[in-house]
Amino acid sequence: AQTVTQSQPEMSVQEAETVTLSCTYDTSESNYYLFWYKQPPSRQMILVIRQEAYKQQNATENRFSVNFQKAAKSFSLKISDSQLGDTAMYFCAFVMDSNYQLIWGAGTKLIIKP
Amino acid sequence: GAGVSQSPSNKVTEKGKDVELRCDPISGHTALYWYRQSLGQGLEFLIYFQGNSAPDKSGLPSDRFSAERTGGSVSTLTIQRTQQEDSAVYLCASSLGGRGLFNEKLFFGSGTQLSVL
Repeated sequence: AQTVTQSQPEMSVQEAETVTLSCTYDTSESNYYLFWYKQPPSRQMILVIRQEAYKQQNATENRFSVNFQKAAKSFSLKISDSQLGDTAMYFCAFVMDSNYQLIWGAGTKLIIKP
Repeated sequence: GAGVSQSPSNKVTEKGKDVELRCDPISGHTALYWYRQSLGQGLEFLIYFQGNSAPDKSGLPSDRFSAERTGGSVSTLTIQRTQQEDSAVYLCASSLGGRGLFNEKLFFGSGTQLSVL
């Protein structure tokens, strides 16, 4: 069975610093997709960034980038120049190709301090 | 509407009572998902509707849970004889449908916080 593990329950950094959230997953599949979602206090999940497993190039979206290590089954999220609005729960998720069932990690609570 | 709408936002009920949670997806979205988010946990898949196909109910935790989607739009999740372990946030999401989760964006509602006393 596929699993997703986020080993950091909570992290806090100062505004403008860079922070990295870790995620590891377990699967025997070769084709899959990985996601990072943000959940602010409003509870509404928002897609931050996504990565295709067959692409070696790491995805980037403005201040957000990933470090995808397929062999190690690791998918970390780096947030550069962190802002107060980045304070939220962050979830790593995985889905197999052409599937619709996302497998979710337990989340990391990120606090950006002014 | 502009986004996925869920009601009520919060629901407090007594153990043993039935509750109904409502989800209004984005107009035109054929795929609709229900998830449960327990405290300190990731999201747990409950049920998936795609167009007129039979729903995938494989994530429903017990026969006390059921869901329907009328007219391919509004969905209701019903929990009968609620238990304290049912306390959680219930999230609904919708997407255009049919192309896989990488090729289409999931839009989430703000969820219903259910508290069973």
